[in-house]
Amino acid sequence: AQSVTQLGSHVSVSEGALVLLRCNYSSSVPPYLFWYVQYPNQGLQLLLKYTSAATLVKGINGFEAEFKKSETSFHLTKPSAHMSDAAEYFCAVTSNTGGFKTIFGAGTRLFVKA
Amino acid sequence: NAGVMQNPRHLVRRRGQEARLRCSPMKGHSHVYWYRQLPEEGLKFMVYLQKENIIDESGMPKERFSAEFPKEGPSILRIQQVVRGDSAAYFCASSPPTYNEQFFGPGTRLTVL
Repeated sequence: AQSVTQLGSHVSVSEGALVLLRCNYSSSVPPYLFWYVQYPNQGLQLLLKYTSAATLVKGINGFEAEFKKSETSFHLTKPSAHMSDAAEYFCAVTSNTGGFKTIFGAGTRLFVKA
Repeated sequence: NAGVMQNPRHLVRRRGQEARLRCSPMKGHSHVYWYRQLPEEGLKFMVYLQKENIIDESGMPKERFSAEFPKEGPSILRIQQVVRGDSAAYFCASSPPTYNEQFFGPGTRLTVL
């Protein structure tokens, strides 16, 4: 069975500071891993995805994530936070186990202080 | 290429009424997924469909909820005899046959009075 754990339901950083959002997953088969961002009352926008190619994945808006199989982690980082980064972030895992059901983490709300 | 479309964007129903949510996948996508997001929570998988087939409905409540994806037309998520606990945002996603990622629609926000 697949699962996703996002550590920290709320993260607060100052503008210009490093953003680190943590995600650990479990999957019995090689996974696809994703990070999505959701702004209030909107749908999900894909930030980046890991699909078994390079372990360091670069996404939009300056975000990147590193797949670490030994740690079963896929943490999201951004060197310098911007006010516009304030949103809800979801880590998700999908694998082909007879269907591509995606399991989402509970989400991490990012606050950016001026 | 238009993205995933969902309508209506907002739906208000009284307890006991029926809610019909529609999802038109992206062109060329034959796989559709429905998710529910309760207030202040993450997305929960409900059902995965391909054209005319339900592949995985392990996340669907056993009663009152049904989904279809006909050969022609949009996918429909149907909730019969709605209750207040059904109030949530319902998101649809689609993917192509050679799966790589899911593309999400803007969601339908259902409010049950």
